[in-house]
Amino acid sequence: EVQLVQSGGGLVQPGGSLRLSCETSGFVFSSNWMDWVRQAPGKGLEWVANINEDGSVANYLESVRGRFTISRDNVKNSLNLQMNSLRVEDTAIYYCINARAGWGQGTLVTVSS
Amino acid sequence: QSVLTQPPSASETRGQRVSISCSGDTSNIGRHSVTWHQQLPGTAPKLLIHSNDQRPSGVPDRFSASKSGTSASLAISGLQSEDEADYYCGAWDDRLNVWVFGGGTKLTVV
Repeated sequence: EVQLVQSGGGLVQPGGSLRLSCETSGFVFSSNWMDWVRQAPGKGLEWVANINEDGSVANYLESVRGRFTISRDNVKNSLNLQMNSLRVEDTAIYYCINARAGWGQGTLVTVSS
Repeated sequence: QSVLTQPPSASETRGQRVSISCSGDTSNIGRHSVTWHQQLPGTAPKLLIHSNDQRPSGVPDRFSASKSGTSASLAISGLQSEDEADYYCGAWDDRLNVWVFGGGTKLTVV
């Protein structure tokens, strides 16, 4: 059974940092690109970042480039998103996803003073 | 405004078949695989279709999809009340270098 279990998130002030994690099982993690997607309250889906199989290539949404860093650990089958210099507009539910395996359960990130 | 265009809503009678369209261009659907995702109210999205027309294990065969040129469509047959959800299409976009999604289609089963 495919599982993507997320942790991290919470409430942070503007300018603060958070780290999201996603532990996976049930598919060959090390052979797959992985993505982060977010959904602001009442809005649609917005892709945030992705990373290739060995972690050597990462792509970012323009508005998060330089502030967010995606990484992976192929030994632990886990994906991470380090979010720095957070802004109010980063408030959303963040999901890890593999486009062939499925979605994590989501974790809420609220950026507010 | 989303890069991929979906109708904002769709409605069909229980037991019938509905089709949801997703329109893109040569930089996304025309060049890359399409995924479809179902989001039930208040829950995380669920992967329905990957690689244009492939169902992950556990997705009923009532759900099917196809792609032609720069457009794709999702079909749901034998509609059930539990199919009421938002449906999103997605594809990588070479020009923007991002994964783009449609704006979502809210399906109502009457």
